[in-house]
Amino acid sequence: QVQLQESGPGLVKPSETLSLTCTVSDHSFISGYFWGWIRQPPGRGLEWVASIYHSGSTYYNPSLESRVTISEDTSRNQVSLKLGSVTAADTAVYYCAGGVMQGSWPIAYWGQGTLVTVSS
Amino acid sequence: DIQMTQSPSSLSAYVGDRVTITCRASQSISNYLNWYQQKATEAPKLLISTASGLRSGVPSRFSGSGSGTVFTLTINSLQPEDLATYYCQQSYSSPITFGQGTRLEIK
Repeated sequence: QVQLQESGPGLVKPSETLSLTCTVSDHSFISGYFWGWIRQPPGRGLEWVASIYHSGSTYYNPSLESRVTISEDTSRNQVSLKLGSVTAADTAVYYCAGGVMQGSWPIAYWGQGTLVTVSS
Repeated sequence: DIQMTQSPSSLSAYVGDRVTITCRASQSISNYLNWYQQKATEAPKLLISTASGLRSGVPSRFSGSGSGTVFTLTINSLQPEDLATYYCQQSYSSPITFGQGTRLEIK
């Protein structure tokens, strides 16, 4: 069973950079999978942030593309997210998520989510 | 971007009822449509992929149908544990987009 665990600060100051790391369980960080980040502001719906494929290809939500970077460290089975110049609007639960690159590329695996609050 | 619109935004039904949630895409997405269930304080859970493929372990009372621009999620014989918000999501083209969610309450 694939397991994902997010980690990172729960509080970030406005204008600073939000940095999160997701550790994927062993044997899962292999070719054929995609990984990414999805966020959910309090009381609101889901918003895709970014994805990365094992080949290293990256895709970003155009609304965030100028501020966001996703990367992977295959030696550590980790995926990282950096979001710069944050504002209160970036306050959300951030989920690490992923799945198999097949069919409709369903997001079958989700972390428990980590709440990041942007506040001074 | 492809816009995904769910209806209704919320609904209330009795245990044992049949419930249908509709998801409309702003352009054709073939069958690149997934459904998720999110219970309070939990991460979303995949229910259905490719519009109608039930994920292993998901109760058979859940079913999905549709293609192109109109999709439905049906719950037959609603159970108390189905209290949740349901989201559709398209993966036809980037950016991935979700519907706004349908909040299901049990009367």
